[in-house]
Amino acid sequence: KNEVEQSPQNLTAQEGEFITINCSYSVGISALHWLQQHPGGGIVSLFMLSSGKKKHGRLIATINIQEKHSSLHITASHPRDSAVYICAVILLYSGGGADGLTFGKGTHLIIQP
Amino acid sequence: ETGVTQSPTHLIKTRGQQVTLRCSSQSGHNTVSWYQQALGQGPQFIFQYYREEENGRGNFPPRFSGLQFPNYSSELNVNALELDDSALYLCASSTSGPGDTQYFGPGTRLTVL
Repeated sequence: KNEVEQSPQNLTAQEGEFITINCSYSVGISALHWLQQHPGGGIVSLFMLSSGKKKHGRLIATINIQEKHSSLHITASHPRDSAVYICAVILLYSGGGADGLTFGKGTHLIIQP
Repeated sequence: ETGVTQSPTHLIKTRGQQVTLRCSSQSGHNTVSWYQQALGQGPQFIFQYYREEENGRGNFPPRFSGLQFPNYSSELNVNALELDDSALYLCASSTSGPGDTQYFGPGTRLTVL
């Protein structure tokens, strides 16, 4: 079982719709990243959260540490938002060293005009 | 534009060969992490370097090795290539680790025949 689960795996919506992508994790974390990956591979960091909510333009990210859940919302979606959205967490680690990020498999979003 | 570059963009090798992938980070980014992303999957953490020392490693065998240089460039070396090593290899840099905003390179697509 993956430590980070995203839903849905695929999402197709019409331009203007409100989009929600969910991320659940099963382990303790210190922070969570939302990332955007376009075809060809380039990954862009959208948010890093350890609590509460962050907003940037039409994007909103929330996290509930107690429930081990985070959501990424896109308001007034546009075809240029079409991409893979990936949730990645920083595991709480007591053994020293660094673990990097642990990634979900991503949500493939298509916004149709 | 993240300010992180990777070379080459694409690479084809045969089983058993060795490969070196390169990443150039932003000035001041002391931490670089390398990830392997198989088709349709989320990235998997290979290792992390901080100020030229490896300070964390994922579940990858010793034939995956790396170097980080004082000029904020780094290398990922893979010996004795296997077919399953075919993937997109991503580097991500930051000032001090996964708790900071991550700046990803565009990736190197490696195909092993």
